[in-house]
Amino acid sequence: NAGVTQTPKFRVLKTGQSMTLLCAQDMNHEYMYWYRQDPGMGLRLIHYSVGEGTTAKGEVPDGYNVSRLKKQNFLLGLESAAPSQTSVYFCASGRTGVNGYTFGSGTRLTVV
Amino acid sequence: AQSVTQPDIHITVSEGASLELRCNYSYGATPYLFWYVQSPGQGLQLLLKYFSGDTLVQGIKGFEAEFKRSQSSFNLRKPSVHWSDAAEYFCAASSNSGYALNFGKGTSLLVTP
Repeated sequence: NAGVTQTPKFRVLKTGQSMTLLCAQDMNHEYMYWYRQDPGMGLRLIHYSVGEGTTAKGEVPDGYNVSRLKKQNFLLGLESAAPSQTSVYFCASGRTGVNGYTFGSGTRLTVV
Repeated sequence: AQSVTQPDIHITVSEGASLELRCNYSYGATPYLFWYVQSPGQGLQLLLKYFSGDTLVQGIKGFEAEFKRSQSSFNLRKPSVHWSDAAEYFCAASSNSGYALNFGKGTSLLVTP
């Protein structure tokens, strides 16, 4: 049972480049989330999904887009990367929106 | 606005000593409350959660937390800390009608020999 898998684990982008972060879960969870973690800021919610085909904005959605075409996958896209998007990105999933989550191991993204 | 506050950014304890990490919340009604731990380079792992009932909650790895409504607090405790407990600890909360967890900024725990 793999839980929540994030790919890639590390990436360096140049300003203006685009990329997609993939999150896959095998627990049949309805809810999925993307958070970013920055020093001294804790985890901030970027976007979330309450089910296949649905997405919604979180606390810091600007500069990001998401898609949930399949229940098990939640994609986070950066259309034009900026240095301010240098961060560690965590995906999480949960059976409900208020129960405990299972987190992936993170993607460390550096934008230069 | 709903918020979770962890007053201590860093805490240092000696191995074998007791530990208490503080967490305060600001919600209109009592939220659901959680503690997570993050080891270096890893994702977050759920230690324990409180929904209702007994205000003393037992979790994994020997941790417990006490909910105090009068103080709007949910402090994490461990009677005797081990070197492997060195990590970042996050308190989180959600309203019972919420869709996502709201995290505190974390407390970094250093354990000295």
